[in-house]
Amino acid sequence: KAGVTQTPRYLIKTRGQQVTLSCSPISGHRSVSWYQQTPGQGLQFLFEYFSETQRNKGNFPGRFSGRQFSNSRSEMNVSTLELGDSALYLCASSKGTEISYEQYFGPGTRLTVT
Amino acid sequence: GDSVTQMEGPVTLSEEAFLTINCTYTATGYPSLFWYVQYPGEGLQLLLKATKADDKGSNKGFEATYRKETTSFHLEKGSVQVSDSAVYFCALSYLGTGNQFYFGTGTSLTVIP
Repeated sequence: KAGVTQTPRYLIKTRGQQVTLSCSPISGHRSVSWYQQTPGQGLQFLFEYFSETQRNKGNFPGRFSGRQFSNSRSEMNVSTLELGDSALYLCASSKGTEISYEQYFGPGTRLTVT
Repeated sequence: GDSVTQMEGPVTLSEEAFLTINCTYTATGYPSLFWYVQYPGEGLQLLLKATKADDKGSNKGFEATYRKETTSFHLEKGSVQVSDSAVYFCALSYLGTGNQFYFGTGTSLTVIP
């Protein structure tokens, strides 16, 4: 069974630009969550999508947005990039039901903002 | 609010030493508790979990017991190996809350031969 894939793996952007990251969940998983990982703040929850609907949202500014497609693939967009957005962005998928909600993480996208 | 606090790292141990990584939590309800591990250059992997008080999660020689009275979920292993070198994250989540996990800051473990 293929794992969670994230593209691209590495990205360098300039302040003020926008960026789109992609996540393909494990086949059959309907929930995709996004996390930002930085040395200072650790892992912080961005948002979660289930069946194309945002079901939960963390405490991030509106510059961070996401969406989920009918095949469960998800994209995350960050507009007007700031230096502080440099981080490892992790995507996690799960079945999304109450019975089984274990998350499986992808390898992440390393975003560097210069 | 909900939060997880882990012992500060990094932790360096010799092979075959006993490992304890402390984790305590603050919860508004009755969460499930998890330990995740992150190897260099990889995403997080679920190591073990416990869904209710007094449950013991175990996997690959690692164990952790959900202690409601002390709000703790300490990770232990009796004899570490070099291959256990990684960053360990304690986390909590609630069933049916949209999969929102609260993670600790992580504890880096290095095992030397």
